Amino acid sequence: NAGVTQTPKFRVLKTGQSMTLLCAQDMNHEYMYWYRQDPGMGLRLIHYSVGEGTTAKGEVPDGYNVSRLKKQNFLLGLESAAPSQTSVYFCASSSRTAGNTIYFGEGSWLTVV
Amino acid sequence: EDQVTQSPEALRLQEGESSSLNCSYTVSGLRGLFWYRQDPGKGPEFLFTLYSAGEEKEKERLKATLTKKESFLHITAPKPEDSATYLCAVQKYNFNKFYFGSGTKLNVKP
Repeated sequence: NAGVTQTPKFRVLKTGQSMTLLCAQDMNHEYMYWYRQDPGMGLRLIHYSVGEGTTAKGEVPDGYNVSRLKKQNFLLGLESAAPSQTSVYFCASSSRTAGNTIYFGEGSWLTVV
Repeated sequence: EDQVTQSPEALRLQEGESSSLNCSYTVSGLRGLFWYRQDPGKGPEFLFTLYSAGEEKEKERLKATLTKKESFLHITAPKPEDSATYLCAVQKYNFNKFYFGSGTKLNVKP
């Protein structure tokens, strides 16, 4: 009963390095999301996808790119990491047939030094 | 402006001391209001969905209610294991838009 799985769970990057966060869901949900959570600011939407091969910008998309080549996977990329991208990142998924409820992964802790 | 505000930011209760958390919203065209529980180091865990004013949902010591402008999460006789951050989120009829509050951090002392 995996649900939404994120890798890696922890990562330390140097400024300017690149990396990709991986998200996989096994619920056959059509919608997938990437959020970041910072103290006092709540969850903010970075990018989302309404289906395989589609992506769209959320509230805070700058500095991030995403891809959804398969329905079950949603990748979040940082091309040139900056200290301001130090945060906890959550992947989530939802479906119209599952009451539109968003189900979250366990989070990925990213520190950029 | 579409906005979700939760209050209080933090709440300390004694075990058994009932209270309520508030989630007020100014989002137009509400499709649903969601409550989540988040433990430290974990992702948010789904609790309830409310769709229309007057609706109520219950789970163990928790009861969620909804009006046209706000939702309450009532905690009856809380236990230390209820300590967590409680988040609410509002979904607009544009399906892809979910607006999250900043959460209420609940601490229940034995």
